[in-house]
Amino acid sequence: EAGVTQSPTHLIKTRGQQATLRCSPISGHTSVYWYQQALGLGLQFLLWYDEGEERNRGNFPPRFSGRQFPNYSSELNVNALELEDSALYLCARSLGEQFFGPGTRLTVL
Amino acid sequence: LAKTTQPISMDSYEGQEVNITCSHNNIATNDYITWYQQFPSQGPRFIIQGYKTKVTNEVASLFIPADRKSSTLSLPRVSLSDTAVYYCLVGDRTNAGKSTFGDGTTLTVKP
Repeated sequence: EAGVTQSPTHLIKTRGQQATLRCSPISGHTSVYWYQQALGLGLQFLLWYDEGEERNRGNFPPRFSGRQFPNYSSELNVNALELEDSALYLCARSLGEQFFGPGTRLTVL
Repeated sequence: LAKTTQPISMDSYEGQEVNITCSHNNIATNDYITWYQQFPSQGPRFIIQGYKTKVTNEVASLFIPADRKSSTLSLPRVSLSDTAVYYCLVGDRTNAGKSTFGDGTTLTVKP
């Protein structure tokens, strides 16, 4: 959707496990933004990567981390999963006119 | 960070014009105002962006008064498919951490 792909579409984990989510922006876009959207709530900024570097992070604990690869794709890792981590995780390219991927629905049981 | 406030929900009928207002009293000089549409379990879709005065594209208009403390998204002649959540985003185009999404307005279009 709009030049951003995310995988997997759905992910089911149990408490304490680790989750890895992936995002690939369209070629030529160096920035990747991660957001968390809990059910029925708005978008909360998680992380911003640009040119392989973490540029900014939102108000989330350190167990939320990520990285950006040389091809500008990105991974979001969530360690020691908690029930409240269940949410739609969205990745976006660009900032001024952000284009979002379809998201990964993470369910923690 | 500029805090944004939007109505929680709005109802409308097909063919009507819908105006959704977002308040952002402490908007900064470098901040832009962007509106997104989101359907359930999908990523938000960009609608329109502006800095001041009026911006119009093929799907919507954005009105921003001189003091920039609020903005109004105008959707002309809505249809049932416009039923969605609409988010106002105010922020610095160069730093995602300085951008704030509102809580969203759920627009329900009735036949």
